[in-house]
Amino acid sequence: EVQLVESGGGLVQPGGSLRLSCTASGFTFSNYWMHWVRQAPGKGLVWVSRINSDGGSTTYADSVKGRFTISRDNAKNTLYLQMNSLGVEDTAVYYCARDSTTTGVYWGQGTLVTVSS
Amino acid sequence: QTVVTQEPSLTVSPGGTVTLTCASSTGAVTSGYYPNWFQQKPGQAPRALIYSTGNKHSWTPARFSGSLLGGKAALTLSGVQPEDEAEYYCLLYYGGAWVFGGGTKLTVL
Repeated sequence: EVQLVESGGGLVQPGGSLRLSCTASGFTFSNYWMHWVRQAPGKGLVWVSRINSDGGSTTYADSVKGRFTISRDNAKNTLYLQMNSLGVEDTAVYYCARDSTTTGVYWGQGTLVTVSS
Repeated sequence: QTVVTQEPSLTVSPGGTVTLTCASSTGAVTSGYYPNWFQQKPGQAPRALIYSTGNKHSWTPARFSGSLLGGKAALTLSGVQPEDEAEYYCLLYYGGAWVFGGGTKLTVL
């Protein structure tokens, strides 16, 4: 069974940093592209970033470019999102998701990041 | 800035049929955009329903179907149940990036 479990969320002050993790199980993690998606309270889903299967290629939404870094450790079956220079607009539930056009998208349960003083 | 557009809200009667659509600001949606559809209920993570235009997950009820319709991706619910009341999001692939639609709030009344 595919499982994605996010962790690392919490309360952080504006300008601060946080690193999110997403631990994968039930599939061969190193075969799949992975994404981060966020959802601000009461708002829709917004794509944040993606990384290819070996970590050699990344893409970011304009809103996080230069502040967030996506990475992965295939030996640990873990996806990361390093978030720096956080602003109140980054407050959201952050989901990791497994990408596949042949078997569909799988989601984690999300981790809440609150940016507030 | 690519924009993906969905109906903000729709209302359907129990047992009825409703079609939700997903349009791209770049032009007609084709299978190359690998349209996905997700259902989300309050306080829950999104649940995948449809991938790559019309493929269902093992847990997707038979009453849900995906297609391309008039240059848009479409999600049709036939024989709507009260538990189908939820927010529905489409997702389109643009190269290595994803773009979500703004969501359709489906009310079953």
